[in-house]
Amino acid sequence: EPEVTQTPSHQVTQMGQEVILRCVPISNHLYFYWYRQILGQKVEFLVSFYNNEISEKSEIFDDQFSVERPDGSNFTLKIRSTKLEDSAMYFCASSEARLNTEAFFGQGTRLTVV
Amino acid sequence: AQSVTQLGSHVSVSEGALVLLRCNYSSSVPPYLFWYVQYPNQGLQLLLKYTSAATLVKGINGFEAEFKKSETSFHLTKPSAHMSDAAEYFCAVRRSQGNLIFGKGTKLSVKP
Repeated sequence: EPEVTQTPSHQVTQMGQEVILRCVPISNHLYFYWYRQILGQKVEFLVSFYNNEISEKSEIFDDQFSVERPDGSNFTLKIRSTKLEDSAMYFCASSEARLNTEAFFGQGTRLTVV
Repeated sequence: AQSVTQLGSHVSVSEGALVLLRCNYSSSVPPYLFWYVQYPNQGLQLLLKYTSAATLVKGINGFEAEFKKSETSFHLTKPSAHMSDAAEYFCAVRRSQGNLIFGKGTKLSVKP
């Protein structure tokens, strides 16, 4: 069964450092998303990406964040200068269509900023 | 704006008992609703989805949910809980832009 894969599963980084979280969406999907889940809290939307550009972003997704689809398969989230409060589980998701199909989630990357 | 509210952050049931996890939604347009399950240290797995085809939706692992427009609810049920159902459950509504808005989640514990 096709799945969304994320690497790495865990990342520890020092405050101020840049991190890149990687995702390989399901191959025929067109819509890509990043969400985050701070420990003990709900899953929050960060950004959606379609047709090689950001289609929507939340207020969380400020200038320190960026997304890219560098080739036909990978979808990355870059955090430029990490802060302690960026520590969270980051989930990538993809879907075939915008509305009436489900989004498939990856297993997540646990980011710890120290 | 669309939103979901999950009543009860923790629900505890005995093995074999009925599971009922509550979700109410707010939406000015016909909603697309989803239930996801998250096992410890894992990602989000789709349990079931409502996309206006049928009000009673059956999902995986014996779960089902009923869409009730008059009550703006989409509660998740399972007739008989199993130990393996212990997890966190999230109700979500899909916005017109495509992204999901999640509820705060309900942690289900199953006692032997």
